[in-house]
Amino acid sequence: DQQVKQNSPSLSVQEGRISILNCDYTNSMFDYFLWYKKYPAEGPTFLISISSIKDKNEDGRFTVFLNKSAKHLSLHIVPSQPGDSAVYFCAASANRGGGADGLTFGKGTHLIIQP
Amino acid sequence: DAGVIQSPRHEVTEMGQEVTLRCKPISGHNSLFWYRQTMMRGLELLIYFNNNVPIDDSGMPEDRFSAKMPNASFSTLKIQPSEPRDSAVYFCASSPHRSGNTIYFGEGSWLTVV
Repeated sequence: DQQVKQNSPSLSVQEGRISILNCDYTNSMFDYFLWYKKYPAEGPTFLISISSIKDKNEDGRFTVFLNKSAKHLSLHIVPSQPGDSAVYFCAASANRGGGADGLTFGKGTHLIIQP
Repeated sequence: DAGVIQSPRHEVTEMGQEVTLRCKPISGHNSLFWYRQTMMRGLELLIYFNNNVPIDDSGMPEDRFSAKMPNASFSTLKIQPSEPRDSAVYFCASSPHRSGNTIYFGEGSWLTVV
C-alpha cells in the first residue's frame, strides 16, 4: 500500500509557464515532506522541503504548498525552464525524535518542459 | 566535497550468482540508507543504519538480500543468489545525524540479472 502517491506519471508544460506537481499521502504521522529531482543516470538530489508546521515554503522559482487536512502537497515551478525537465519525487518522513529515518517516496512524476 | 560513492555503476550477472554492491557515505554522516528503484514500485527503502547499526530492515525483500556496515565509511548490499527480478537501480544515500531528514544519494548501481 503506497503511503505517498504521485498520480501523474508524466506532465508536459511549455517553457515559461507554471509547472504544478502533486502528491498525496495517507500516513498521518508524516510531519516532514521533501521534493527530490532526478536526471537520467544520476541519483536523486534534494530540491525543497517543508515541515508540517508550515503551509508554504519558497526557494527561488520553487514553492511547495502543504494542505495537512487534505494530506496533499504540491510543488510549483515558475517560470518553467528546459533544465527543469526531470523526474520529481515526493517524499515524506515521520520524525521519531532523533537521527534521520528513511524517507518514503512516491513513484515520481516525469516533468517535460517543451520549448 | 565528495558525495556518496557507489560501485559498481553497472553490473550484468547471471541468475544464481552473488552480487555485492558497495557504498562509501559522505564523511561525517551517521545514517546510511539503501534504496531500490524499479518502474513498478518506484524508490523503495530496503534498509538503513544509524551509527553503523541496522535500524530498520523491514524493506529487505527476502533472505537473499543482506546488508552490512562494518565501519562508518563503508557498507555493502549483497544478493545471493541473484534472480532476474532483482534487476533494478540500487541507490545508497547518507545523512548527517540529527540534521533533519534530508538525505544525499549516490549515483546508483544499475544491476541486470539475466
